[in-house]
Amino acid sequence: EIVMTQSPATLSVSPGGRATLSCRASQSVSSSLAWYQQKPGQAPRLLIYVASNRATGVPARFSGSGSGTEFTLTISSLQSEDFAVYYCQQYYNWPLTFGGGTKVQIK
Amino acid sequence: DVQVVESGGGLVKPGGSLRLSCEVSELSFSRFSMNWVRQAPGKGLEWVSSISGSGSHIDYADSVKGRFTISRDNAKNSLFLEMNSLTAGDTAIYYCAGGHSNYDLVFDYWGQGTLVSVSS
Repeated sequence: EIVMTQSPATLSVSPGGRATLSCRASQSVSSSLAWYQQKPGQAPRLLIYVASNRATGVPARFSGSGSGTEFTLTISSLQSEDFAVYYCQQYYNWPLTFGGGTKVQIK
Repeated sequence: DVQVVESGGGLVKPGGSLRLSCEVSELSFSRFSMNWVRQAPGKGLEWVSSISGSGSHIDYADSVKGRFTISRDNAKNSLFLEMNSLTAGDTAIYYCAGGHSNYDLVFDYWGQGTLVSVSS
């Protein structure tokens, strides 16, 4: 099983600030990496797939990068609606696995 | 927008069974893989099971293999999850998630989830 490790667990950022979230895979997943956003009481929402492709309707302030075992999600200028939990997911191999999540909170 | 609606959750005793359903508004439902993802209270996301568009390919997480069965009815745009021998560890919100048009195992659209509680 490929283990996905996200860091930090919690990130405190001021509105308008920049957030950098990390996701590490225990073995290479090539570019088969997706990012999801989840707000309290809501279902997850797809943000990024193939490591760097934004999903339909996702603002340009969200960007993904990386390949192999190291990935990054960057939110360039945090808006109030961006405070949420973010999960990475590998779909390179079965079983599909998620990281433990990073909570982005207001500083 | 694609609409996804899960149903069938509820309170069940340990060892009991439950059948979850998911209806999808997507006209090309049979083209897309469908998935179940769960989230225990206050915890992260856990993939449960996936089924290909035709139903010919199915996979399960080890934690549910042999107890859960995924199926779909493409004529009714519906996905199902039959859950048997339930334990407290299966308590979670169960989400139905549809695969991306080009990347089957990317979860592109989600329902609001249905809560399964296993308790005596």
